[in-house]
Amino acid sequence: DIQMTQSPSSLSASVGDRVTITCRTSQSISIYLNWYQQKPGKAPKLLIFAASSLQSGVPSRFSGSGSGTDFTLTISSLQPEDFATYYCQQGYSSPLTFGGGTKVEIK
Amino acid sequence: EVQLLESGGGLVQPGGSLRLSCAASRLTLNNYAMSWVRQAPGKGLEWVSVISGSGGSTSYADSVKGRFTISRDNSKNTLYLQMNSLRAEDTAVYYCAKMEGAAISSEFFEHWGQGTLVTVSS
Repeated sequence: DIQMTQSPSSLSASVGDRVTITCRTSQSISIYLNWYQQKPGKAPKLLIFAASSLQSGVPSRFSGSGSGTDFTLTISSLQPEDFATYYCQQGYSSPLTFGGGTKVEIK
Repeated sequence: EVQLLESGGGLVQPGGSLRLSCAASRLTLNNYAMSWVRQAPGKGLEWVSVISGSGGSTSYADSVKGRFTISRDNSKNTLYLQMNSLRAEDTAVYYCAKMEGAAISSEFFEHWGQGTLVTVSS
């Protein structure tokens, strides 16, 4: 199975900050990397697929980059509604696996 | 907008069985592979199983293989997960999720239901 390592596991940031979350995979997965946002008590929501493609309806302040084993999710200007937990997920091979999550909290 | 509505969760004793359902609306289910993903309380996400759009192919996580069975009834636009020999470690919120393609090799979870809680405890 492909192991997914997200960092940091949590962070504190202020509205307007630029936030970067990293995801590293245990083997190369090309660009088969996806990002999700989950708010407490809610289902995850797809933000980014194929490393850098923005899902329809997702604000443009979210962006993704990377290939191979190292990927990043960037929020260019953090908004109040962005405080949530973010997960990466590899779609390269079965079983599909997720990172441990990054909780973004208000500073 | 696609809607997925899970049902069937609840409290069950260890060794017991439960069947989850996921009803889809505003979506023709047989065009897409569907998955179940679970989340133990306070923990991260774990993929459980996937079924192809036609229902002809399935795959399971090692943690549930031989105990869980995924199926679908495209005429009813409904996905199922039959869970047998349940264990305490199966306690989780179970989400159904629509994949982006029809094959079980689909890569990501495009739409999610709201989840249903399964608690395995005596």
